[in-house]
Amino acid sequence: KQEVTQIPAALSVPEGENLVLNCSFTDSAIYNLQWFRQDPGKGLTSLLLIQSSQREQTSGRLNASLDKSSGRSTLYIAASQPGDSATYLCAVRDNYGQNFVFGPGTRLSVLP
Amino acid sequence: EAGVAQSPRYKIIEKRQSVAFWCNPISGHATLYWYQQILGQGPKLLIQFQNNGVVDDSQLPKDRFSAERLKGVDSTLKIQPAKLEDSAVYLCASSSTRDSPRHYGYTFGSGTRLTVV
Repeated sequence: KQEVTQIPAALSVPEGENLVLNCSFTDSAIYNLQWFRQDPGKGLTSLLLIQSSQREQTSGRLNASLDKSSGRSTLYIAASQPGDSATYLCAVRDNYGQNFVFGPGTRLSVLP
Repeated sequence: EAGVAQSPRYKIIEKRQSVAFWCNPISGHATLYWYQQILGQGPKLLIQFQNNGVVDDSQLPKDRFSAERLKGVDSTLKIQPAKLEDSAVYLCASSSTRDSPRHYGYTFGSGTRLTVV
């Protein structure tokens, strides 16, 4: 059974810093991986989707990498801003299942 | 394209009452998911539909939860009777099924926050 963990659970940084959020999964036979952002009391907004054949995806200040062999993905946020404050979740779809399994999220606070 | 629509946004009920949530997916998305998100945790799948058929409902507490997707478009999720531990955000997501269904990511709605008192 696929299990997804995210470290750290919470992170507080000053504005302007570059930061890395980590996602680990137990079964490396994944089909794809998706990163989401969730603002308090809101639904999930898709950030990046990485297929198993890809090593990274970029969107603006965000870059997500995937290392299947080690069971890890990282989300890199460049030049963080207070508006980046939210919970970031990663979700993994393995080769056997139809749906995504979610991690618990990392709660990010960017201080002005 | 219009996003995934969910209603209501908030609901407060007493335990043992019943409640229903509604979801309208993105037009043309054949796959629809209901997830439950308890505060501080990641979402957990309740049920997955492909058109109007159930693909996976292994984690749906069938003694109290039910879901349907008539005509392969809108879906409703019902809880009857509700328990205190059902307090959570209920999220609906849809996904395209062109070519290979698993190739596509999810688009989520805003969710329904349920409080059972």
